[in-house]
Amino acid sequence: DAGITQSPRHKVTETGTPVTLRCHQTENHRYMYWYRQDPGHGLRLIHYSYGVKDTDKGEVSDGYSVSRSKTEDFLLTLESATSSQTSVYFCAISPGGRDTQYFGPGTRLTVL
Amino acid sequence: RKEVEQDPGPFNVPEGATVAFNCTYSNSASQSFFWYRQDCRKEPKLLMSVYSSGNEDGRFTAQLNRASQYISLLIRDSKLSDSATYLCVGGRNNNDMRFGAGTRLTVKP
Repeated sequence: DAGITQSPRHKVTETGTPVTLRCHQTENHRYMYWYRQDPGHGLRLIHYSYGVKDTDKGEVSDGYSVSRSKTEDFLLTLESATSSQTSVYFCAISPGGRDTQYFGPGTRLTVL
Repeated sequence: RKEVEQDPGPFNVPEGATVAFNCTYSNSASQSFFWYRQDCRKEPKLLMSVYSSGNEDGRFTAQLNRASQYISLLIRDSKLSDSATYLCVGGRNNNDMRFGAGTRLTVKP
């Protein structure tokens, strides 16, 4: 299994609070991604990174920001969580931009 | 209309059966296609890539039809352990990959 961890694995928070999710990899892969998965929608890309401090928006980036200060860590921040951001969040990594993506175990976030 | 569409199922089949899933995609510029497997409350895991010429991995066969814009997955001799949700994925590169919502398969004794 690819060396990817996510923290926390579960979180319950209230509307309007900031939330940061962490993805950590030990594979030294250049690309990292944040997805959300909701029933009936499949996985949707939020943001991705193609190197340290190099990030770009995905399909559903509104309300989210990211940072990557080290190769191994990719942070996803919800500045002011809303109930519509209740979801399962998956981090993924890949060596290159067209290579197979490997997913982390996911973070289950509930915003009340 | 979703960019990648799959029949959500569920497909309920007996052990040993052959089952096929289809997936359609709308972006004709898509170059890369994959099937992922996802167990309940777990992360997706790559099952196989899909190549233009079709490819096989043991009991699993994947095919791509660019003219009709669909990909398929065939599972022969189904095992109980094949029970999972199968995700179809397609795109030009990883930052525009589109995932289907998944097809649920249950293999019964």
